[in-house]
Amino acid sequence: GEDVEQSLFLSVREGDSSVINCTYTDSSSTYLYWYKQEPGAGLQLLTYIFSNMDMKQDQRLTVLLNKKDKHLSLRIADTQTGDSAIYFCAERGGSYIPTFGRGTSLIVHP
Amino acid sequence: DVKVTQSSRYLVKRTGEKVFLECVQDMDHENMFWYRQDPGLGLRLIYFSYDVKMKEKGDIPEGYSVSREKKERFSLILESASTNQTSMYLCASRRDDTDTQYFGPGTRLTVL
Repeated sequence: GEDVEQSLFLSVREGDSSVINCTYTDSSSTYLYWYKQEPGAGLQLLTYIFSNMDMKQDQRLTVLLNKKDKHLSLRIADTQTGDSAIYFCAERGGSYIPTFGRGTSLIVHP
Repeated sequence: DVKVTQSSRYLVKRTGEKVFLECVQDMDHENMFWYRQDPGLGLRLIYFSYDVKMKEKGDIPEGYSVSREKKERFSLILESASTNQTSMYLCASRRDDTDTQYFGPGTRLTVL
């Protein structure tokens, strides 16, 4: 079945850029998502990208997709302490239901 | 704004009790989902529903059942709670013609 992998932790200094990486196995993936979960809260959709795109930028967020390598990344520029959260990568292809990764905990040090 | 609400933020139950977790969405979404979230395991789908009275098993349905009698409400039932069902439970909803799932705030269930 489909699988989505991401590292569990990332630690950065405030003001630096953060890059969270994700790999997936489903070659028919059509939609790829990044969700953010703040402490004690549910998941909130941050951004998404269609599989026919290479890049999407939204203010401090840049999503890069390498479809050949099935690699997705989320770059957060000028990372702030408020960006500390768990970030989930998810993909959806032919299946009705998205597959989520295990989540990357981003820790931002002052 | 889409709103997905869950009946409790925190719940403590005893082993063997019957537990009801309620989820309500206010945007007339056709699809609703129940996930559990555990550290290091991410989100795992328990059940989903694509219409009233319709339900489909997800990846880990054992020990759970669901009910969708009204479009806006999707209930998760633990018939006989066990300690390994201690977890964070997340509800989500989605409209048929979009790809975005909207999540509730979660219910942290502890089974003693």
